[in-house]
Amino acid sequence: QAVVTQESALTTSPGETVTLTCRSSTGAVTTSNYANWVQEKPDHLFTGLIGGTNNRAPGVPARFSGSLIGDKAALTITGAQTEDEAIYFCALWYSNWVFGGGTKLTVL
Amino acid sequence: QVQLQQSGAELVRPGVSVKISCKGSGYTFTDYAMHWVKQSHAKSLEWIGVISTYYGDASYNQKFKGKATMTVDKSSSTAYMELARLTSEDSAIYYCASPSFAYWGQGTLVTVSA
Repeated sequence: QAVVTQESALTTSPGETVTLTCRSSTGAVTTSNYANWVQEKPDHLFTGLIGGTNNRAPGVPARFSGSLIGDKAALTITGAQTEDEAIYFCALWYSNWVFGGGTKLTVL
Repeated sequence: QVQLQQSGAELVRPGVSVKISCKGSGYTFTDYAMHWVKQSHAKSLEWIGVISTYYGDASYNQKFKGKATMTVDKSSSTAYMELARLTSEDSAIYYCASPSFAYWGQGTLVTVSA
């Protein structure tokens, strides 16, 4: 089974732009992997942010965007807010969905 | 607004089965398939499978074939997942999510202990 790798932790400051990445052990991530990004907040509250590489889920603020950068999927937060402090997981499709280990984002 | 309401925590003995539920509201339940995801400390998030809420056919992660069985009851807009022959490895939080991973239930903690 493919292994999906994310940064374990990142720190940013309010108002800054931060990019989280999602790498596949099988090679370059493409649109055929339909990268999804989800956010986990305390008490196991999950919210979907991005589907199909770059489609924002309903109600998700425009500061969240998804893309492919080089051979990886990426989630960019433009103008991070303190409330964006959370764990972010990506998921890639390989005929199964495979999640990455998550990136703990600190905003301070 | 879309809500997925899961059943409460379960404490079960090894070897038995448990069935957890996920009731959808705020949308047309049969418009979107339902995913199930396992969260454990050891393995972070694992995709268990997905079921068509309209047709009832399911697709499983090979790892969970024989362990998980997904069903739906369209009349009550509820999806179910039964976990069989439980062991300590099955102790985890289980989530339903739809459509795709946009909306998640609050999770159901399953603890397997004698």
